[in-house]
Amino acid sequence: GAVVSQHPSWVICKSGTSVKIECRSLDFQATTMFWYRQFPKQSLMLMATSNEGSKATYEQGVEKDKFLINHASLTLSTLTVTSAHPEDSSFYICSASSVSLGGLAGGNYEQYFGPGTRLTVT
Amino acid sequence: AQTVTQSQPEMSVQEAETVTLSCTYDTSESDYYLFWYKQPPSRQMILVIRQEAYKQQNATENRFSVNFQKAAKSFSLKISDSQLGDAAMYFCAPANYNNDMRFGAGTRLTVKP
Repeated sequence: GAVVSQHPSWVICKSGTSVKIECRSLDFQATTMFWYRQFPKQSLMLMATSNEGSKATYEQGVEKDKFLINHASLTLSTLTVTSAHPEDSSFYICSASSVSLGGLAGGNYEQYFGPGTRLTVT
Repeated sequence: AQTVTQSQPEMSVQEAETVTLSCTYDTSESDYYLFWYKQPPSRQMILVIRQEAYKQQNATENRFSVNFQKAAKSFSLKISDSQLGDAAMYFCAPANYNNDMRFGAGTRLTVKP
């Protein structure tokens, strides 16, 4: 249980174009979803947190207009990188947590991670 | 905000031996969880073990155990009987009630046959 998928797993786009990454919780309803960015040989850096039906909360230094996050349902969140540039090339990972699985109010605090999306901007 | 320090960028262990990965953190929360995640070359984050901060008993999960020292804000991971499949990046991550999870810089573990 608690499986999270991401699509696509790898995407190449040209500079100036936009790209959308989907994150889905397959067998549970995700109360909260998180987006992380990971550069090679570095740790995961939280970009934003989103609750279903609410605006995402972005970490300091993350451009809201650059990284658009939509959490339209309890099973889907999307990250759109707008006007992508080569410096946006990175590995993007989403995760999800659920009250029903013990997250947040349930006291579990665990996040379930997707397999990640490698973005290359040429 | 939480800060996490993993002071060992790389560690190496002989197969079947034991290795300990260190982690210290700083938090103002009284109620929180601590996690160790493993990231193999596939880059899929895999939960290794979790510890509830209010529990004094150290968590164990088969060959994996932790040494949780709450007062010292230390949370080390011990891997016993190391296997080749244990080779990966290991991240320590505290998480608070708001599900704010922060990751350390990671420790790259190499297992020698």
